[in-house]
Amino acid sequence: QLQLHESGPGLVKPSETLSLTCTVSGGSVSSSTYYWGWIRQPPGKGLDWIGDISYSGSTYYNPSLNSRVTISVDTSMNQLSLKLTSVTAADTAVYYCARHPYGRNSFFDSWGQGTLVTVSS
Amino acid sequence: QSVVTQPPSASGTPGQRVTISCSGSSYNVGTNTVNWYHQAPGTAPKLLIYNQNQRPSGVPDRFSGSKSGTSASLAISGLQSEDEADYYCAAWDDTVNGVVFGGGTKLTVL
Repeated sequence: QLQLHESGPGLVKPSETLSLTCTVSGGSVSSSTYYWGWIRQPPGKGLDWIGDISYSGSTYYNPSLNSRVTISVDTSMNQLSLKLTSVTAADTAVYYCARHPYGRNSFFDSWGQGTLVTVSS
Repeated sequence: QSVVTQPPSASGTPGQRVTISCSGSSYNVGTNTVNWYHQAPGTAPKLLIYNQNQRPSGVPDRFSGSKSGTSASLAISGLQSEDEADYYCAAWDDTVNGVVFGGGTKLTVL
């Protein structure tokens, strides 16, 4: 059974870079069938799509974050990573990784449990 | 401000039928499939309905989805206390070139 697990610092200072990892087990990030995404949820608010990546490393970002976000894949470690630069308090959120099973325009069928990142000095 | 709109709240009593609406545009709901996610308090979202009206394995048939034009709906029949959660619709958006989520609807079982 596919499992995704996000990890990374829970506290990041303003203007610094947020870095998270999503470890995938029970499946391979190298599968050409799947795309992988990052989604975030500010406390008490709704879900926002951050971006997607393919097994080959092709990336697609939300235009609202495009200049600050980088998503990458490490097939040897079966991991995804997310980097968000120049963070502010508005980037405080629970960050989730998830899988698109049938291409980027399909649903997310598996989600990680999420990790809370707080931006504060 | 979400490009896909949901009512912020909905409620019903046990056994009742409740519907949650999801309104978008021709760039998202109107031309692409709609998916619904269920999020219990303190947990990650979980796929509830995909491709408008398909249920993943394990989702009871009390849950159903439909779409007409630029609007979609989630219906929950035989409401149960365990259905109390947040519900999100989502669809591919051709202008964003990514997924857009509705703002979410908090369902309360009275």
